[in-house]
Amino acid sequence: AQSVTQPDIHITVSEGASLELRCNYSYGATPYLFWYVQSPGQGLQLLLKYFSGDTLVQGIKGFEAEFKRSQSSFNLRKPSVHWSDAAEYFCAVGVRSNDYKLSFGAGTTVTVRA
Amino acid sequence: GAGVSQSPRYKVAKRGQDVALRCDPISGHVSLFWYQQALGQGPEFLTYFQNEAQLDKSGLPSDRFFAERPEGSVSTLKIQRTQQEDSAVYLCASSGQRGRTGTQYFGPGTRLTVL
Repeated sequence: AQSVTQPDIHITVSEGASLELRCNYSYGATPYLFWYVQSPGQGLQLLLKYFSGDTLVQGIKGFEAEFKRSQSSFNLRKPSVHWSDAAEYFCAVGVRSNDYKLSFGAGTTVTVRA
Repeated sequence: GAGVSQSPRYKVAKRGQDVALRCDPISGHVSLFWYQQALGQGPEFLTYFQNEAQLDKSGLPSDRFFAERPEGSVSTLKIQRTQQEDSAVYLCASSGQRGRTGTQYFGPGTRLTVL
């Protein structure tokens, strides 16, 4: 079965600084990959997704992620964070043979300091 | 509104009580998903509906959990004889397409606390 690891439980970043959130997956083939953001009291919102093609994916709110097959990673980046980016971020994996079931990582909480 | 809505937003139950959690998906969405999110964890898949058909219920943790979507729109997740370990946020998501290829739109969740 596929699994997702988000090594960083909590990251603190200064406003205006760059942000990178790590995601590693375990799966024998190329999975479908997603990043979601969850603000307090809100549902999960899709930031971006990768199915195939260009390994650098652009998403909403200025986020991007890069799929690296050799490292089984799908790290999320933002060049300059805003205070409103403080939230919890989840990486998720879907597999082609069971295409409706997403497996989520445990999440990374991002705190933005002024 | 145009998004997925869930009710109630918060539910406190005494151990042993039955609870029913409601999900109103985006109108016309074919696929509906339920997830359980324990504190400090990511969502865990519970079950999947395509229209009124429950195609996968492999994630339901016990036979105390039951989900239905009788008319292919609103769905209800029912938990019988609640236990403390059932305390979690229950998330509903819907998608306009079959399977995960469609973006899943999530509701705000129902936070269930079992005392």
